[in-house]
Amino acid sequence: RKEVEQDPGPFNVPEGATVAFNCTYSNSASQSFFWYRQDCRKEPKLLMSVYSSGNEDGRFTAQLNRASQYISLLIRDSKLSDSATYLCVVRDSSASKIIFGSGTRLSIRP
Amino acid sequence: EADIYQTPRYLVIGTGKKITLECSQTMGHDKMYWYQQDPGMELHLIHYSYGVNSTEKGDLSSESTVSRIRTEHFPLTLESARPSHTSQYLCASSESPGQGFVGELFFGEGSRLTVL
Repeated sequence: RKEVEQDPGPFNVPEGATVAFNCTYSNSASQSFFWYRQDCRKEPKLLMSVYSSGNEDGRFTAQLNRASQYISLLIRDSKLSDSATYLCVVRDSSASKIIFGSGTRLSIRP
Repeated sequence: EADIYQTPRYLVIGTGKKITLECSQTMGHDKMYWYQQDPGMELHLIHYSYGVNSTEKGDLSSESTVSRIRTEHFPLTLESARPSHTSQYLCASSESPGQGFVGELFFGEGSRLTVL
């Protein structure tokens, strides 16, 4: 079993739709959580950190469920420019290990 | 905007040549990483460093080597390039999580290597 698991997709949704991704992690001692976005042939870029209380940034909402060991990303009113691969990233308690999920591909159609 | 730079961005080279991929960051981060990624595939950690004179191998075995003589500089070297080394190499750095820092990674734009 992978330490960080994501549904690879692809998710193909119409513009304006709401889409949600989940990511599960196996190490209960994990400390920090992030969502990164990666465009085709580009480097990953931080989309948002995920805090215990949940956090929102415009159309994006991230949630953390420590009891069930998953994090989620919700995108509302999706835009064509949201098409990308979304990477779930987990950092362990000692901060020495950073684990990337394999990514979820999202494609927004007009 | 992240202050981490990689050169060259693109390199096409013949089999057997020695290559060095450069990575520099001006953020004073102690932790630096090298990832390898093929098109459409996931990231694989090949090397990391927690500070000067500290280097470790990552999860994916790689014939490359790294050095960390200065905080800001983390070059990757392939002594004898082969077609199987063709890939994108991404360098990243991070601050250690702590007071006010969550320890996110900042990536360079990548070096795309093609070995003929």
